[in-house]
Amino acid sequence: AQTVTQSQPEMSVQEAETVTLSCTYDTSESDYYLFWYKQPPSRQMILVIRQEAYKQQNATENRFSVNFQKAAKSFSLKISDSQLGDAAMYFCAYRSYSGGGADGLTFGKGTHLIIQP
Amino acid sequence: DAGVTQSPTHLIKTRGQHVTLRCSPISGHKSVSWYQQVLGQGPQFIFQYYEKEERGRGNFPDRFSARQFPNYSSELNVNALLLGDSALYLCASTLDRGNSPLHFGNGTRLTVT
Repeated sequence: AQTVTQSQPEMSVQEAETVTLSCTYDTSESDYYLFWYKQPPSRQMILVIRQEAYKQQNATENRFSVNFQKAAKSFSLKISDSQLGDAAMYFCAYRSYSGGGADGLTFGKGTHLIIQP
Repeated sequence: DAGVTQSPTHLIKTRGQHVTLRCSPISGHKSVSWYQQVLGQGPQFIFQYYEKEERGRGNFPDRFSARQFPNYSSELNVNALLLGDSALYLCASTLDRGNSPLHFGNGTRLTVT
């Protein structure tokens, strides 16, 4: 079974600064997807960024980018120019490439991101 | 377009009771998944349904069951409620059974007393 580990229960950053959230995972599969989801107090899980394991290029979405190290099984999220609206719980998640998602997503325990004005 | 809608928003039940949670996917989405999120933890996969059939199941007891209707909406049923079933229950829909992104609803907060 796959596992996802987020070792930072809480992170704090000054507004406009850059912060990196860490995630490691364990799998024996070679093809898979990795995700970062954001969960604000509204409770809705919002997809931030997605990475396909077969792609060597790191995914980027505006101020959000990842550092995907497949051999090290590491998938960190960098948020540049942090904004107050970025404050939320951030979850790293894994999904097998095969099976059509029948195994669902495997989530980490989350990192609570605090933005200091 | 409306997103994934879940009802009710909050629910309080007593141990031993039964509960039904409902989910309407985004229009055109044929797959629905259910997740349980205990306070302070990440969501855990319960079920995936596609075209009204169960396609995947997580490590949950048989007290948990679900179904998907012809309009692709879904119900999650939990029998013989335990205190440990208190959690946020999230529904997510996807366009197909493949690797399309999941779109989550706002969840149902279930409290078992």
